Amino acid sequence: EDQVTQSPEALRLQEGESSSLNCSYTVSGLRGLFWYRQDPGKGPEFLFTLYSAGEEKEKERLKATLTKKESFLHITAPKPEDSATYLCALMMNTGFQKLVFGTGTRLLVSP
Amino acid sequence: DAGITQSPRHKVTETGTPVTLRCHQTENHRYMYWYRQDPGHGLRLIHYSYGVKDTDKGEVSDGYSVSRSKTEDFLLTLESATSSQTSVYFCAIREDITGSPLHFGNGTRLTVT
Repeated sequence: EDQVTQSPEALRLQEGESSSLNCSYTVSGLRGLFWYRQDPGKGPEFLFTLYSAGEEKEKERLKATLTKKESFLHITAPKPEDSATYLCALMMNTGFQKLVFGTGTRLLVSP
Repeated sequence: DAGITQSPRHKVTETGTPVTLRCHQTENHRYMYWYRQDPGHGLRLIHYSYGVKDTDKGEVSDGYSVSRSKTEDFLLTLESATSSQTSVYFCAIREDITGSPLHFGNGTRLTVT
């Protein structure tokens, strides 16, 4: 069965304190991995797509990386406005319609 | 922001009543999805559509039906609401299925009493 696990469930950082969020998975065949940000009361907002091991994508203070077993979302010098829940989702080689979502990491950045 | 509007944003209903949630898009995307989000679970797919009048079931489709009579509108109906269907419902659209991401609306919070 295709599974995805995000860790930690929650993370509290001080402003400027860099860290990483993890998305690990066991799937039969991965076509791609998406990262999303979700603010309270809102829908998930797309951040990145990663397709192959070794690939990296960056946007402002965020950098996403992918290996064969996991993806990391690195947050460099975070600000309070980076506080949100971060979700990863897997797209398999078969069944492109049916993404598998992790339960997310709740990030709180304190000033 | 992707042009996705969900209505209503909040609804409280009683057990046993039918409920319809609406998703409207202005992007002319072919693919549309309904997900539910519950604490401790990732987003779970209820139904999806790959064109007008073309729909299929997701992993948690029992008790739900959908319809798509126009490209821009995708309706989710709870035929007879139960307390286990209390959730936040998200609609999503997608340009293609080969690699493009889903873009989500801001959700409908449904409470079944």
